[in-house]
Amino acid sequence: NAGVTQTPKFRILKIGQSMTLQCAQDMNHNYMYWYRQDPGMGLKLIYYSVGAGITDKGEVPNGYNVSRSTTEDFPLRLELAAPSQTSVYFCASSYSILAGGYNEQFFGPGTRLTVL
Amino acid sequence: AQTVTQSQPEMSVQEAETVTLSCTYDTSESDYYLFWYKQPPSRQMILVIRQEAYKQQNATENRFSVNFQKAAKSFSLKISDSQLGDAAMYFCAYNTDKLIFGTGTRLQVFP
Repeated sequence: NAGVTQTPKFRILKIGQSMTLQCAQDMNHNYMYWYRQDPGMGLKLIYYSVGAGITDKGEVPNGYNVSRSTTEDFPLRLELAAPSQTSVYFCASSYSILAGGYNEQFFGPGTRLTVL
Repeated sequence: AQTVTQSQPEMSVQEAETVTLSCTYDTSESDYYLFWYKQPPSRQMILVIRQEAYKQQNATENRFSVNFQKAAKSFSLKISDSQLGDAAMYFCAYNTDKLIFGTGTRLQVFP
């Protein structure tokens, strides 16, 4: 299993540009998450999904959009990039709590995004 | 709303010694999970140890153990026999349906 994969690893954007951060998991997890980590800080939840076709906002959703058309993929879209979105972005996945698991989240390697 | 507080931005320990990282949280829930994650310079988030709130027994994973005080809402991590490879950022996290992270503690390990 590849686990959780993210592309790209690094990206530099100009203000106002758009891009999509890709995330995929091959563990058949129904929960998926997007976090951002600003320098010297912990992770903050942007959006999450409890299954294909279902998404919900986290703590810091402004400026982002997500979709979940399949169990495996959970892309994060930045429509109008701003310097405040310079951060490291992590995707994660887990089993549902309803399945009796610990809801341990498995993280991807992260994408470092710089907006200039 | 649930919050997680790590009051130690940085800690240091001598190799082979023991260090304890502090974490407190605030919640009105009675059933939840708590985690410690390690983030080395590679940025990869690695689960170190987990604790279920309904279990009174403190979790242990090899050199890592926790002191879970539910009434005090405290969840500290003890690292015994510290190794150079333990140097990293450590994040405490609270979980029901979503993970809420603390701001982290940077652990330095000196030879």
